[in-house]
Amino acid sequence: QVQLQESGPGLVKPSETLSLTCAVSGYSISSGYYWGWIRQPPGKGLEWIGSIYHSGSTYYNPSLKSRVTISVDTSKNQFSLKLSSVTAADTAVYYCARIRFGEFGIFDYWGQGTLVTVSS
Amino acid sequence: EIVLTQSPGTLSLSPGERATLSCRASQSVSSSYLAWYQQKPGQAPRLLIYGASTRATGIPDRFSGSGSGTDFTLTISRLEPEDFAVYYCQHYGSPSITFGQGTRLEIK
Repeated sequence: QVQLQESGPGLVKPSETLSLTCAVSGYSISSGYYWGWIRQPPGKGLEWIGSIYHSGSTYYNPSLKSRVTISVDTSKNQFSLKLSSVTAADTAVYYCARIRFGEFGIFDYWGQGTLVTVSS
Repeated sequence: EIVLTQSPGTLSLSPGERATLSCRASQSVSSSYLAWYQQKPGQAPRLLIYGASTRATGIPDRFSGSGSGTDFTLTISRLEPEDFAVYYCQHYGSPSITFGQGTRLEIK
């Protein structure tokens, strides 16, 4: 059974960088599939942030591309998200997920999500 | 970027009734790259349907998807108490991923 678990600070100050990690168990990232991040502001809808392959190939939402970096560590079977210059608008639950059908695919396994609040 | 518009915003029905949820795309969705998710409060979304009409593993057959081009529908044939949740459609396929704004299915 594939399981994903997000971790990272729950509170980030404005203008700083948000950093999260997604640990994957039950499946080796190196075996295939793309892996991604999605976020959901409180009470609002879902927004795709970006996708990564075990080779390090990345694809980002154009609206966030200038601030986002996604990386992978196959030795630890995990991947990470960095979002720079955050504002209150970046307050959201951040999910990591496995992606089927390529870098712009569907999300078949999800983490439980972690709330990140941007506030001073 | 394909914009997805879901309707209605909120749907109030009773258990046992049939639910019909709509998702309209701003341009034609190639190869029916349209998926549906269910999200309950405090939980991550759950994949229901992909390829417009293929049920994901473990999804009951009361859930069905249909449509092509720009108009897609999620139908729940007989509502069970656990089906009351928020539903999102998602376009996938190059060059981006977008979600609809969601339809809230509530108990009448």
